[in-house]
Amino acid sequence: QVQLVQSGAGVKKPGASVKVSCKASGYSFTGYDINWVRQAPGQGLEWMGWMSPNSGNTDYAQKFQGRVTLTRNSSISTAYMELSSLRSEDTAVYYCARWAVVSDALDIWGQGTMVTVSS
Amino acid sequence: DIQMTQSPSSLSASVGDRVTITCRTSQYISNYLDWYQQQPGKAPNLLIFAASSLQSGVPSRFSGSGSGTDFTLTISSLQPEDFATYYCQQSYSTPWTFGQGTKVEIK
Repeated sequence: QVQLVQSGAGVKKPGASVKVSCKASGYSFTGYDINWVRQAPGQGLEWMGWMSPNSGNTDYAQKFQGRVTLTRNSSISTAYMELSSLRSEDTAVYYCARWAVVSDALDIWGQGTMVTVSS
Repeated sequence: DIQMTQSPSSLSASVGDRVTITCRTSQYISNYLDWYQQQPGKAPNLLIFAASSLQSGVPSRFSGSGSGTDFTLTISSLQPEDFATYYCQQSYSTPWTFGQGTKVEIK
């Protein structure tokens, strides 16, 4: 079935970086953009950016410009989100999600990756 | 950025009730509005896209309406599995933005 499977939870120290992976299966990886959305504990959803697995083109939310990098390895159908200079406010669940052009919506989501930033 | 104002932030309802959630955008977005349901500890799940189109596999008791700046999600007869948090999201222009969420609780 169509699914996105993300890497496991982690704890990072302030100032460090984290790289979360998102492996796609059940569909053509290069046919759909991958978006990243995060959710701080008890809070709402916040869009971080998207990447085209086909071209490598990216678009980042201004809030994360300079700190977030979206990449992919198409040979293994995996997208990555790397966030640097972590601070406590970055503690959140990070989701990857597939953008469906036919519906202009995020139709498939990964299970989420909890990243805790703590000294 | 397009601002999203969702209301109410929470509501209490009983099984079988009709529930309406509204979402207003800070600028015109045509019908580029999607609705998601999120169960506790789970990823969001797409319910409605393009303001009124039901995502495959979503029960028909969910419906969406609206265009321009004002949108509505309606659950015609609330079921036990519908107690969750609902988010609207505009897909008109990046950065995609979400409403703050509406938590539907059991009365």
